[in-house]
Amino acid sequence: AIRMTQSPSSFSASTGDRVTITCRASQGISSYLAWYQQKPGKAPKLLIYAASTLQSGVPSRFSGSGSGTDFTLTISCLQSEDFATYYCQQYYSYPPYTFGQGTKLEIK
Amino acid sequence: QVQLVESGGGVVQPGGSLRLSCAASGFTFSSYGMHWVRQAPGKGLEWVAFIRYDGSNKYYADSVKGRFTISRDNSKNTLYLQMNSLRAEDTAVYYCAKDLVAAREIDAFDIWGQGTMVTVSS
Repeated sequence: AIRMTQSPSSFSASTGDRVTITCRASQGISSYLAWYQQKPGKAPKLLIYAASTLQSGVPSRFSGSGSGTDFTLTISCLQSEDFATYYCQQYYSYPPYTFGQGTKLEIK
Repeated sequence: QVQLVESGGGVVQPGGSLRLSCAASGFTFSSYGMHWVRQAPGKGLEWVAFIRYDGSNKYYADSVKGRFTISRDNSKNTLYLQMNSLRAEDTAVYYCAKDLVAAREIDAFDIWGQGTMVTVSS
C-alpha cells in the first residue's frame, strides 16, 4: 500500500499568514491527490483534487501543487475559519485509498 | 441539495454485528461509486470500503476484509455496510462518501455524510 506522510503534524499560525503543508507519497502517484479540510465534529470537506484543481465553492486562497511523490497545500492568507485539520489522500493505487496522518493548524 | 445521511450506529459487544445505512439524495446515486471511511476517536481518516456505481466491483481495507460487506440498493438510493465480528478497534465514526465523477473509480470524494458512531465495547 502507498503510504502518505504529511508534514508538519501540527503547527501554529496567525490570521493573514501564508502557510504551506507538505504531503509525500511512498511511491509515485502522478497527480491523483486530494486535500481535505476537517473541523472538529464535522465531516471532511474536499478542497482540491487532481493535485491542483480547486473544488467548486472553495476560496481561491487555497491552492495545491505537485506531482509524482511531493505535493503541497498552500493557504495564501489565513482566515479564522481555516483553522482545522488537513488531510491529503492518494487515489492512484487502490485498494487502499490512503490518507496522510493529518496536519492540525492552530491559532498562534 | 446533494446529501448523504448515515444511520445505524450504536454500541455493540465484541463479536457482534451492525449494519450501517447511507441514504443519498440530490444526485443520481446509481451513477456514482461510493465509499465508507472511518475515524477512530482522536485519530485520522481510514478508508474502509468501496463499491462501484453498479455494484460490480468492491474493495476493502485489509483491516476489515472478510468481516465487513459493502452493498448498495440503487432502487432505494441507499448504501450499506454490514459489519460482523466487530472488535474494539472498529470503534469509530463511520462516514459514507461519494466519488467526484460519475462511473469512475479513480476519484476524490466530494460529498460526505455527517457520520454515525460505532462503539464496540463490553
